Amino acid sequence: KAGVTQTPRYLIKTRGQQVTLSCSPISGHRSVSWYQQTPGQGLQFLFEYFSETQRNKGNFPGRFSGRQFSNSRSEMNVSTLELGDSALYLCASSPSTGTAYEQYFGPGTRLTVT
Amino acid sequence: DAKTTQPPSMDCAEGRAANLPCNHSTISGNEYVYWYRQIHSQGPQYIIHGLKNNETNEMASLIITEDRKSSTLILPHATLRDTAVYYCIARNQGGKLIFGQGTELSVKP
Repeated sequence: KAGVTQTPRYLIKTRGQQVTLSCSPISGHRSVSWYQQTPGQGLQFLFEYFSETQRNKGNFPGRFSGRQFSNSRSEMNVSTLELGDSALYLCASSPSTGTAYEQYFGPGTRLTVT
Repeated sequence: DAKTTQPPSMDCAEGRAANLPCNHSTISGNEYVYWYRQIHSQGPQYIIHGLKNNETNEMASLIITEDRKSSTLILPHATLRDTAVYYCIARNQGGKLIFGQGTELSVKP
C-alpha cells in the first residue's frame, strides 16, 4: 500500500498570506490528524477528522482550520500567516478513530514564513 | 493522556539489543502505550503499541509491567539506521497523540 502523501513538501510564504496544505491518507483509512512540529514546542496536535467531521481539536488559534472530503483526503488552511507559523506540518492517517488504532505519518510539509 | 517520562538520551552498540525505558505511573486502565520514532526531519514512524500484554512485531518488542506503570521498548539487534528520537505515549484520546521530549538513541559502530 502507498503511504501517506503530503503536498507540497516545501513552501515559502509571506506574513499575512494564507496557505493550504493537502494530505492523502493510506487507502482505506478514514481518520486524518494534523500536527505541527517546531524546534521550540515539539510535536503538537492540531486536529483530527473522521468521516468528514472534526473529532478532536488542539489548542491552536482559529487561523488554523481543516476539512476532510468524502474520499478521506484532508486539507488544512492557515490564514494570516505569522512568522511563528514556520514549522513542519505533519499529517497522519488511521483506519478509524479510537485509541486502539495506530496512526501513520506522512513526510510532512515544511512551511517557511518570511 | 498520562504523563510519560523517558531518559533524554541513550547509547547502544551496533548489533546489541537497545532497551528503551518509559515510566507512565499515572496511566489509566484504558490508555494504550504507543511507541514512535523520528529520524531527523522525517515524519514519525509507528513502531508498536499495547494495552496490557507484551507485544512483538517485525520491528520491536514491547514489554509492559504487570502494574502497567512502566514499559520497555526492545530493538533486538540495533543498527545504525535505528539512530532516532524515540517517543513513548500513553494515549486515551482517540485521534490525539501527545508527544513528549522522547529519548535520543545513538547507535554506535
